Amino acid sequence: NAGVTQTPKFQVLKTGQSMTLQCAQDMNHNSMYWYRQDPGMGLRLIYYSASEGTTDKGEVPNGYNVSRLNKREFSLRLESAAPSQTSVYFCASSGGYYIHTDTQYFGPGTRLTVL
Amino acid sequence: SQQGEEDPQALSIQEGENATMNCSYKTSINNLQWYRQNSGRGLVHLILIRSNEREKHSGRLRVTLDTSKKSSSLLITASRAADTASYFCATDPNFGNEKLTFGTGTRLTIIP
Repeated sequence: NAGVTQTPKFQVLKTGQSMTLQCAQDMNHNSMYWYRQDPGMGLRLIYYSASEGTTDKGEVPNGYNVSRLNKREFSLRLESAAPSQTSVYFCASSGGYYIHTDTQYFGPGTRLTVL
Repeated sequence: SQQGEEDPQALSIQEGENATMNCSYKTSINNLQWYRQNSGRGLVHLILIRSNEREKHSGRLRVTLDTSKKSSSLLITASRAADTASYFCATDPNFGNEKLTFGTGTRLTIIP
């Protein structure tokens, strides 16, 4: 049981490049989330998916897109990376449908630097 | 916007001492959770306390919730070096379809 896995662990991009962060969970959870963590800012929700086939914006969605590929996988795409997107990105999942206040299980994070 | 704010921002104590950190929040909530983050890792859930509960224990952890003051505290007793981490509170506002909102965290260092 791997829990929540994320790839890649580290990535360096140049301004304007695109990339997709991958996330998968093997806990049969319904809800999945993408957060970014910046120094002194705590975690901020980018997008979430309450169930397979649905996605919604969080607090800081600009510059990002997401895809809930199936129940297991939730990807985050940066179409044109900007230095302001330099951050650590975490994927998380929780069990309930539309119950975002369940305990959340986090992946190990992706450290992204945009030059 | 940050719902929860932890205090202090950083705390250093000797191994074996108790560590207390606090969380204040702005709006009424359904529940409050505490998470731990070791350096370079993802967050790990520690404990959840519901709005109708005042105190909860889990091993060496004790959480209190005072909804009248909109605050919570996390006490770690008999601290160990392995408790060195950042601790975050996460609140669930009880209006609309709001999501968990995380605070900025307390960085705890246990000195051996």
